Amino acid sequence: QKEVEQDPGPLSVPEGAIVSLNCTYSNSAFQYFMWYRQYSRKGPELLMYTYSSGNKEDGRFTAQVDKSSKYISLFIRDSQPSDSATYLCAMNRGSQGNLIFGKGTKLSVKP
Amino acid sequence: GAGVSQSPSNKVTEKGKDVELRCDPISGHTALYWYRQSLGQGLEFLIYFQGNSAPDKSGLPSDRFSAERTGGSVSTLTIQRTQQEDSAVYLCASSLGLAGIYEQFFGPGTRLTVL
Repeated sequence: QKEVEQDPGPLSVPEGAIVSLNCTYSNSAFQYFMWYRQYSRKGPELLMYTYSSGNKEDGRFTAQVDKSSKYISLFIRDSQPSDSATYLCAMNRGSQGNLIFGKGTKLSVKP
Repeated sequence: GAGVSQSPSNKVTEKGKDVELRCDPISGHTALYWYRQSLGQGLEFLIYFQGNSAPDKSGLPSDRFSAERTGGSVSTLTIQRTQQEDSAVYLCASSLGLAGIYEQFFGPGTRLTVL
């Protein structure tokens, strides 16, 4: 079992839809949780960051962490064609150097 | 300000040849990471440098892979005797400190194709 599992999709939604992206993980020591967005042929860029459990909202984006279920989510409201990208979850213990990434979910928002 | 830069952006090589990939991190960032992204896969950690500490090489897939960081800044990832399975995008990232606590900033990647 991989440490981080993420459905690769692809996921296609109409403009304006609410999008839900999810990851599960197996290491209960993970404390830092991130969502990265990666456009085609670009490097990933940090979208949302959450420490431990809870919710965090930034504009149309909401990140949720449920450590009891080892499950994290990213919600995108009023999705736009410009949101079309691959979304990668990432996490670590904080005391290690590298991030552990999911495989990424490819999202397409159709106008 | 300038972000993380990588060169070359694309590299095509023949099986068995050696390749060098370069990363210029953000100025002042003490931590530097190399990841590999294969088609349909997430980012696979390769190696991590933090200040003057010994690098964490735990992610390097074989002894054909090596990396160095000179003067605490520029890093070079070297792949010797390349194989077709080495074809991937190689991403470099830098941060002010430990990942998770500090944001990692990624470069655009080097797309390596081994024929």
